[in-house]
Amino acid sequence: EAEVAQSPRYKITEKSQAVAFWCDPISGHATLYWYRQILGQGPELLVQFQDESVVDDSQLPKDRFSAERLKGVDSTLKIQPAELGDSAMYLCASSLETGRKTQYFGPGTRLLVL
Amino acid sequence: GNSVTQMEGPVTLSEEAFLTINCTYTATGYPSLFWYVQYPGEGLQLLLKATKADDKGSNKGFEATYRKETTSFHLEKGSVQVSDSAVYFCALVILTGGGNKLTFGTGTQLKVEL
Repeated sequence: EAEVAQSPRYKITEKSQAVAFWCDPISGHATLYWYRQILGQGPELLVQFQDESVVDDSQLPKDRFSAERLKGVDSTLKIQPAELGDSAMYLCASSLETGRKTQYFGPGTRLLVL
Repeated sequence: GNSVTQMEGPVTLSEEAFLTINCTYTATGYPSLFWYVQYPGEGLQLLLKATKADDKGSNKGFEATYRKETTSFHLEKGSVQVSDSAVYFCALVILTGGGNKLTFGTGTQLKVEL
């Protein structure tokens, strides 16, 4: 069964450092999402791509976060500089296309900022 | 705006007990509804879904019925197992021109004991 791949699974960094997370969606899925899940809460959308274009980044803190999906396949989410409050699980999901409602999630990257 | 409200956890049950996790929603539009499950340290797995009123989603003994009149999507299972211990998230999605982000509840932790 096809799955969404993410790496690394765990990342520990110090505040003010830069971190990057990678996601490879299910093959053929045009839509890719990055969510942030703070401990004890539900995930919240950071950014949504349709192919290589951003569809929704209204909740992305653009002063420190950036996301790209240059060839419309895999994606990278970057934080620079990291802050203590960025400690969370970062989840990537994909769906066949924006019009399809079912999203499939990867295992996530757990970030701890010290 | 859109929102999902779940019963607070943790819910602690004995093996083979009946499970109900309540979920109600508020939506501007006609949402599709989902239950996702998250095991410790892992990403979210789609458990079941329903896309229109009176639809029943079911999987692995879990089921939920889309009730438009009460704006609810309660999760039920007739006989829980220790392996069902996890956090369960209710979520909705509405297709809009600006994307189709999932809106999650805060999650309900289920603990099943022998």
